[in-house]
Amino acid sequence: GAVVSQHPSRVICKSGTSVKIECRSLDFQATTMFWYRQFPKKSLMLMATSNEGSKATYEQGVEKDKFLINHASLTLSTLTVTSAHPEDSSFYICSAKSGTSFSYNEQFFGPGTRLTVL
Amino acid sequence: GIQVEQSPPDLILQEGANSTLRCNFSDSVNNLQWFHQNPWGQLINLFYIPSGTKQNGRLSATTVATERYSLLYISSSQTTDSGVYFCAVDKRTTGAQKLVFGQGTRLTINP
Repeated sequence: GAVVSQHPSRVICKSGTSVKIECRSLDFQATTMFWYRQFPKKSLMLMATSNEGSKATYEQGVEKDKFLINHASLTLSTLTVTSAHPEDSSFYICSAKSGTSFSYNEQFFGPGTRLTVL
Repeated sequence: GIQVEQSPPDLILQEGANSTLRCNFSDSVNNLQWFHQNPWGQLINLFYIPSGTKQNGRLSATTVATERYSLLYISSSQTTDSGVYFCAVDKRTTGAQKLVFGQGTRLTINP
């Protein structure tokens, strides 16, 4: 099956700093990547959709200046949490979709990044 | 937007038992996926099943698209089956998808 990696798996930072999370599709080209946020014991909420070479599309209520997304290549998307504050602490998960070798509409998920802002 | 409801919210079983998890959705869909989120947070793809029936080992799934529900069956449960099971749907056929997740069913398998 398709493999998606995320780095780092866990990060602790001080309030006011910026944190970058990487999402990579390892064995397929991802024309579209997605970023989700999950609070403890809750479901996943889509934050934004990232298309290679174009601007990300953010869901309603998600601050685009707070959560910067860059999809620079067909295998890499990054999420930067700028000027992080304790309320940004969460589990961030990316997913990727391929329209070529695999079932067109199936999304594959990374292992997630747990962000703690002190 | 489309609503997704999963039931039951919590399920506690003994090892070896069988279980059925349900996912109801409020509109027609073209994509439906079942996931298992393990205790470390990783979502594992179980089935991509917008319609019909599929089986993979001890797991099987059925989606009745006309009646807007999907069922996930787990037979002969093992402790490693513990975790949260999510159903996610999307009604788009082209372009960027937006999977809408249900609230999940938390399954605990006791030895």
